[in-house]
Amino acid sequence: EDQVTQSPEALRLQEGESSSLNCSYTVSGLRGLFWYRQDPGKGPEFLFTLYSAGEEKEKERLKATLTKKESFLHITAPKPEDSATYLCAGQTGANNLFFGTGTRLTVIP
Amino acid sequence: DTGVSQDPRHKITKRGQNVTFRCDPISEHNRLYWYRQTLGQGPEFLTYFQNEAQLEKSRLLSDRFSAERPKGSFSTLEIQRTEQGDSAMYLCASSFVNTEAFFGQGTRLTVV
Repeated sequence: EDQVTQSPEALRLQEGESSSLNCSYTVSGLRGLFWYRQDPGKGPEFLFTLYSAGEEKEKERLKATLTKKESFLHITAPKPEDSATYLCAGQTGANNLFFGTGTRLTVIP
Repeated sequence: DTGVSQDPRHKITKRGQNVTFRCDPISEHNRLYWYRQTLGQGPEFLTYFQNEAQLEKSRLLSDRFSAERPKGSFSTLEIQRTEQGDSAMYLCASSFVNTEAFFGQGTRLTVV
C-alpha cells in the first residue's frame, strides 16, 4: 500500500535556527517526489520535484534531497514568512499525487 | 495567465442539497486533477482528466460525485445529496503530462 509519512507533525523554530523536515515513502512505481508549501486556507504551492536518489534542488532558504527511502527538506536560517505547512507527495505510476499529512512549521521572530 | 482558478471559494449548503464547483486550469495544461482535503490531512486524490477524458477515479469518489471536463477546458465537480462528511476543501490542479501540478485556492464546502 502506498504510504507517505512526514515528521515531525509540527516544528517551532527561532528565526535563524536551521532544521530539516523528513518524508519517508513507500510508493509503488514512484515517478517523482514532490514538495509543496501550503498556507492556511489556501491551495498547495509547488516547491520542488525530485526524480532520482541523490538528487538535490534548492530555492532560497530551502533545499530538498532524495534517497531511495526518504526525502528531506532542509531550511537554512528560516524567517517568519517561512511559516507554513510543508507537504510531501509521491507521484505514483497512475500519475496522481499521494500526499503525507504535512509538517506545520512555525518560525518565531 | 493567473493560475488555476476555482469558484466559489466558499460554499455552505444544507445536507441533502446538490452542489457544483468549477475549476479553470492554467491554459494549455492538458491534465486536470481534483483532490479533497480535510483539516490536518494532506490532499487526497479524487479523479483526473487528460484533455476531456476522465482517466482515473479514486475509491473515494462515490456515486454521489461526478466530474466533467467538456472540451478539455474547465471542469466541474458535482456532489449530489450532500452529507456532513462531504465537508472539506476541494482542490483543483492542472499540469502538462508528467510535470508538476499547480493547485488552485480551493473551494471550502461546509454541509450543515
